[in-house]
Amino acid sequence: DTEVTQTPKHLVMGMTNKKSLKCEQHMGHRAMYWYKQKAKKPPELMFVYSYEKLSINESVPSRFSPECPNSSLLNLHLHALQPEDSALYLCASSPLVGEKLFFGSGTQLSVL
Amino acid sequence: GENVEQHPSTLSVQEGDSAVIKCTYSDSASNYFPWYKQELGKRPQLIIDIRSNVGEKKDQRIAVTLNKTAKHFSLHITETQPEDSAVYFCAARTTYNQGGKLIFGQGTELSVKP
Repeated sequence: DTEVTQTPKHLVMGMTNKKSLKCEQHMGHRAMYWYKQKAKKPPELMFVYSYEKLSINESVPSRFSPECPNSSLLNLHLHALQPEDSALYLCASSPLVGEKLFFGSGTQLSVL
Repeated sequence: GENVEQHPSTLSVQEGDSAVIKCTYSDSASNYFPWYKQELGKRPQLIIDIRSNVGEKKDQRIAVTLNKTAKHFSLHITETQPEDSAVYFCAARTTYNQGGKLIFGQGTELSVKP
């Protein structure tokens, strides 16, 4: 299996909702990432997990809460989001931090 | 910290022509430079990468060149085809002390006209 799988593909939520994005990889990669991407802009790094421990938090607001339950899974918990948080959220993995990134197909999030 | 500049922001070529996209980076310690292609509505995909101990790398119609002295690297696509139309992002990896993060350029939207 050489894919990073993300669910859901699309998500619409209100500003008071709580939702979670999920990501899974079975390539044995030990680094996993969350990125945020606006249309035709580069991916913006949010969080990095290395060996299931949070190693980088790019000053992301606390309404985004990452979780790495095990070496194959990565979640992003969302709470009290703002309309400007609407974007494509990409999960990625790499064998180790800084190595070749494999991206998932993303979750297109709309906050109303 | 590392900064990556990418040019041009848009590029339109005729099918069969060559396309060149250029990036410059600021941190001379950066040592890994990947290129990603992102088609509309799809995920970014790695198309080629180069490490700082190599000056050039080629894979069929795609090549990347690296000039460490000038701190710039370029993507070359020959014999372009309509399916090459996409947004291309270059990136540079920061040092381990800076987290080994990939810093992306702003992207180039390539349009190949049949």
